[in-house]
Amino acid sequence: SQTIHQWPATLVQPVGSPLSLECTVEGTSNPNLYWYRQAAGRGLQLLFYSVGIGQISSEVPQNLSASRPQDRQFILSSKKLLLSDSGFYLCAWRDTPRAHEAFFGQGTRLTVV
Amino acid sequence: AQKVTQAQTEISVVEKEDVTLDCVYETRDTTYYLFWYKQPPSGELVFLIRRNSFDEQNEISGRYSWNFQKSTSSFNFTITASQVVDSAVYFCALSEAQDDYKLSFGAGTTVTVRA
Repeated sequence: SQTIHQWPATLVQPVGSPLSLECTVEGTSNPNLYWYRQAAGRGLQLLFYSVGIGQISSEVPQNLSASRPQDRQFILSSKKLLLSDSGFYLCAWRDTPRAHEAFFGQGTRLTVV
Repeated sequence: AQKVTQAQTEISVVEKEDVTLDCVYETRDTTYYLFWYKQPPSGELVFLIRRNSFDEQNEISGRYSWNFQKSTSSFNFTITASQVVDSAVYFCALSEAQDDYKLSFGAGTTVTVRA
């Protein structure tokens, strides 16, 4: 069966520090991968998605970037965090066809101080 | 423009009451999918159901039921005989063929079931 791992679970970082969140999927190949952000008390905003290695689509211009160095690995990064980057970050994967449901990791709660 | 509207921000019920969550979507696409997810306090989103635009048949799964009506662009979710474990945030989502099937989520409805 497929599983998705996301870490760390919680993170407190100072403003201006770098960020690296990692997500890996097991039990499937060539998944579609997604990064979402959920601000406190709000819905989910799609940040990035990837349909294959090295292929990244950005949905919202911002202080973040994403990379997919391996088939089942998706990384969310920032060179310098802002206070507004605080939130709950969720990684998700989807099989083909992309019309089907996405399955989510347990999320990373990021607090920028 | 918001593609998925969940007008109810919070709903509070007493255990065993029924609760209905509203979801209204907006699309010009003929091929699209609708979803419901549950987010318990732990934070992970749990997939509940998927419906495609060509299948308006309602569905029941245990205490959960879904009413899909294309005429009103609605995909409502009912929890029958609610339990404390149903307390969570529930999200409705839409994916459209013309938008590469990306998931657009509503703002969510927080359901609190009191014992």
